[in-house]
Amino acid sequence: AAGVIQSPRHLIKEKRETATLKCYPIPRHDTVYWYQQGPGQDPQFLISFYEKMQSDKGSIPDRFSAQQFSDYHSELNMSSLELGDSALYFCASSLVSSPAAVETQYFGPGTRLLVL
Amino acid sequence: TQLLEQSPQFLSIQEGENLTVYCNSSSVFSSLQWYRQEPGEGPVLLVTVVTGGEVKKLKRLTFQFGDARKDSSLHITAAQTGDTGLYLCAGNSTGANSKLTFGKGITLSVRP
Repeated sequence: AAGVIQSPRHLIKEKRETATLKCYPIPRHDTVYWYQQGPGQDPQFLISFYEKMQSDKGSIPDRFSAQQFSDYHSELNMSSLELGDSALYFCASSLVSSPAAVETQYFGPGTRLLVL
Repeated sequence: TQLLEQSPQFLSIQEGENLTVYCNSSSVFSSLQWYRQEPGEGPVLLVTVVTGGEVKKLKRLTFQFGDARKDSSLHITAAQTGDTGLYLCAGNSTGANSKLTFGKGITLSVRP
């Protein structure tokens, strides 16, 4: 079965640079979530999109923005990168309108961002 | 702020032993998910529990959702070295289109 695809898998950037992370949800999934996981930490919710509209916002810095496109893929744009942005960034997708009415989030393999 | 407390934080057992780990909260969740995560990889879904008192089995893993939908347990029978990993529980508070709140995870080590 197709899974969530994230690219790139690894990214190294300098301070103050920008980065763009991409997420391709499971086919027919309508919702995308972004999470940030620091070393030894649990995943923290950043932002989510349902049907291309922002549906919820968590602890996402103002330097970050995201959007979901017409093909349901999503991009997380990160500017003025700081050392503390080094983390694993996960995308998860779900089908809100599942006939089973139970929404389950499926995670991608993550993008490991290292800011030097 | 909804919090999920997982316990124990670390567990090291011998292959073949049984174990139970817990995920507790003071908040009610509409559903709760258990994930297993390998280092540097994304969380892999194990199970979703929705109904209070629900019990789900996945081979040697048994998951239970508390009657009040505030807590959950994971029981592993006859642990194997391949069960080693980080087990995360995550709660969904308001149903559809809702972010997950994760616990800190349980690091399980199964010794041969």
